[in-house]
Amino acid sequence: EDQVTQSPEALRLQEGESSSLNCSYTVSGLRGLFWYRQDPGKGPEFLFTLYSAGEEKEKERLKATLTKKESFLHITAPKPEDSATYLCAVQGDFQAGTALIFGKGTTLSVSS
Amino acid sequence: DSGVTQTPKHLITATGQRVTLRCSPRSGDLSVYWYQQSLDQGLQFLIQYYNGEERAKGNILERFSAQQFPDLHSELNLSSLELGDSALYFCASSVRGFLTDTQYFGPGTRLTVL
Repeated sequence: EDQVTQSPEALRLQEGESSSLNCSYTVSGLRGLFWYRQDPGKGPEFLFTLYSAGEEKEKERLKATLTKKESFLHITAPKPEDSATYLCAVQGDFQAGTALIFGKGTTLSVSS
Repeated sequence: DSGVTQTPKHLITATGQRVTLRCSPRSGDLSVYWYQQSLDQGLQFLIQYYNGEERAKGNILERFSAQQFPDLHSELNLSSLELGDSALYFCASSVRGFLTDTQYFGPGTRLTVL
């Protein structure tokens, strides 16, 4: 069964304390892995797409990496405004077209 | 702002009722997706339309239906509502609806069934 597991469920950091979020997946024929950020009561905001193992993408304090079984979202020197839930999703050779399968997310809290 | 709009923002109704949620995709996007987000299940895919035609179905209940109109806006109809249907409903859109297209999400409609 295709699935996505994110860990930890919640993460508390001090401002400037770098860390990583994990997304492990099992999927037949991975076509893409997506990272989104979601603020409370709002829609997911697109961050990155990764297509193949070894690929890396960066945006400000965030860097996403991909292996054959998992992806990491590295947060360098986080600020309070980085507090949000980070969602990982995969797209593969599913019967359900181009639907995304989401993990349950990691809720990040950054305190000053 | 993703460019995807959804109305209404909040909806409160009673069990057994029927509601319609509306979504307008980003300008130029042909494909629309509907997702349901509940606290215990996370984001779950419901259904996808591409240029007016149904493209894929997820775990959508028979009480739920959707359509995409010629102007590409989409509506999700939920009927015979139950308490368990209370959730956030998101619409997303993408350019072509092909694999690996980025899906951009709207702000969501919060449905509360009392």
